[in-house]
Amino acid sequence: EPEVTQTPSHQVTQMGQEVILRCVPISNHLYFYWYRQILGQKVEFLVSFYNNEISEKSEIFDDQFSVERPDGSNFTLKIRSTKLEDSAMYFCASSSQGLGSGYTFGSGTRLTVV
Amino acid sequence: KQEVTQIPAALSVPEGENLVLNCSFTDSAIYNLQWFRQDPGKGLTSLLLIQSSQREQTSGRLNASLDKSSGRSTLYIAASQPGDSATYLCAVKAAGNKLTFGGGTRVLVKP
Repeated sequence: EPEVTQTPSHQVTQMGQEVILRCVPISNHLYFYWYRQILGQKVEFLVSFYNNEISEKSEIFDDQFSVERPDGSNFTLKIRSTKLEDSAMYFCASSSQGLGSGYTFGSGTRLTVV
Repeated sequence: KQEVTQIPAALSVPEGENLVLNCSFTDSAIYNLQWFRQDPGKGLTSLLLIQSSQREQTSGRLNASLDKSSGRSTLYIAASQPGDSATYLCAVKAAGNKLTFGGGTRVLVKP
């Protein structure tokens, strides 16, 4: 069964450093997303991406965050200057098309900012 | 603003008992509802997807119902097994093509 692949599975970074989280969505999917889950809290939406541009973003997704699809397979989330409160599990997801389609999530990247 | 609530937050049952997990949402204008399973420290595994026009979906021992007008969905897991121990999340897709998640129900099935 097709999978969404995320790397790395765990990343530790110092406050103020830049991090890039990587994702390979399912190949024929058109919509890509990032979500995050702070320990003990709900999974929350960050950003959606379609046709090489951001289609929607939450208030969490401020200027410190950016997304990119640098080639035909990868989808990345960059955090420019990490803060302690950015520590969370970050999930990438993709869906095929349309509002009725379901999501496939990756296994997540656990980001720890120290 | 869509709010999704899951009750109970935690549930412990003996092996073999049926599980009933509840999900409620405040805005009934949804496109679909998806149930996920999350093991500790792991990703989200999709279990069932119910479109807004559907009343239920079944997969093996799992059955999910949807009552859009009342803003409720229920996930039934028949004849629970210790391997069913996990956190179960429901999420609704509404305007903007994004998911809004509930807080999850943590399930423990005792052998």
